[in-house]
Amino acid sequence: AQTVTQSQPEMSVQEAETVTLSCTYDTSENNYYLFWYKQPPSRQMILVIRQEAYKQQNATENRFSVNFQKAAKSFSLKISDSQLGDTAMYFCAFISNRDDKIIFGKGTRLHILP
Amino acid sequence: KAGVTQTPRYLIKTRGQQVTLSCSPISGHRSVSWYQQTPGQGLQFLFEYFSETQRNKGNFPGRFSGRQFSNSRSEMNVSTLELGDSALYLCASSSQGGETQYFGPGTRLLVL
Repeated sequence: AQTVTQSQPEMSVQEAETVTLSCTYDTSENNYYLFWYKQPPSRQMILVIRQEAYKQQNATENRFSVNFQKAAKSFSLKISDSQLGDTAMYFCAFISNRDDKIIFGKGTRLHILP
Repeated sequence: KAGVTQTPRYLIKTRGQQVTLSCSPISGHRSVSWYQQTPGQGLQFLFEYFSETQRNKGNFPGRFSGRQFSNSRSEMNVSTLELGDSALYLCASSSQGGETQYFGPGTRLLVL
């Protein structure tokens, strides 16, 4: 069974700092997608970034980038120049090409402090 | 394109009642998935529909059911509500499934 583990329940950083959120996963599949979703207090789940497992190049979206280590089954999210609006719950998620259900980690609550 | 919409946004029911939640996917998306989010269990997959067929199902009791219509809109029904069914129910859509899913704002259900 696939699992996703986020080992940091909560983190706080100062505005403008860089923060890295950790995620590891376990799967026997070779073709899959990994995601980071953000859930602010409004509870709307927002896609931050996605990574296709077959791509070696790490995905980037503006201030958000990932460090995807397929062999180690690690998928961390780096937020550069953090902003107050980045305060949210962040979920690491996995979906395989053979399945249609997302497996979520337990989440990391990120606080950006002014 | 309009995003995923869910109705109602908030709902209060009592134990034993039943409830129906609705989800309209992004235009052109044929896959709709449902998730339950609670503080204790986190985000859990309920089921996924594609072209009016349930393709995948999570580990929830039979009280949880769903369906999808020809226009890809989906409904989720929970019968004989229990206190533990209080949760945020999220719907997500994707064009084919097995790829990026886009979430709606959720329906917050409170069972008293």
